[in-house]
Amino acid sequence: GAVVSQHPSWVICKSGTSVKIECRSLDFQATTMFWYRQFPKQSLMLMATSNEGSKATYEQGVEKDKFLINHASLTLSTLTVTSAHPEDSSFYICSARVRTSGLAGEQFFGPGTRLTVL
Amino acid sequence: RKEVEQDPGPFNVPEGATVAFNCTYSNSASQSFFWYRQDCRKEPKLLMSVYSSGNEDGRFTAQLNRASQYISLLIRDSKLSDSATYLCVVNGDSNYQLIWGAGTKLIIKP
Repeated sequence: GAVVSQHPSWVICKSGTSVKIECRSLDFQATTMFWYRQFPKQSLMLMATSNEGSKATYEQGVEKDKFLINHASLTLSTLTVTSAHPEDSSFYICSARVRTSGLAGEQFFGPGTRLTVL
Repeated sequence: RKEVEQDPGPFNVPEGATVAFNCTYSNSASQSFFWYRQDCRKEPKLLMSVYSSGNEDGRFTAQLNRASQYISLLIRDSKLSDSATYLCVVNGDSNYQLIWGAGTKLIIKP
């Protein structure tokens, strides 16, 4: 099956620093990658949709200047949390959509990155 | 009203029992429905798609009721390994946007 990796799997940083999270599709090309955030006991919330070679589409309420997304190739998307604060502490998960799939559900998820901002 | 609503549980069920839970959705135009499973501190994994006619995969049966706008998941002969949070997912305004429920926590006890 399709494999998506995320790096790092967890990170602890001081308030005010920036954190970059990488999402890679290892054995397939992903035209679209999605970035989600999940707070404890809450549902996954879509932050942004990232299409290769174009600007990401952010969901309402998500600051694009704070959460920088780059999708430079068909196998790599990055999310940078700039000037992170404690309220940004969360579980960040990326998913990738198989290029030829017409089904919405065929998204493959990375293992997630647990961010803790002190 | 939330777009996708689920009973958060937890459902405490003895091993071997049958358990079912529902999920309601608000967008009558939704066309794609899924159940995902998420283990603690892990990413969600697709359990099964839900088709209009209902579908079965081993011990798991999914049903869709468009008139009442809900989908259901039935687990028969539950195993300890079925303990997880089950997430109901419905497509949003575009076909690739997924709207997630907050999940129903299931605990299977020996």
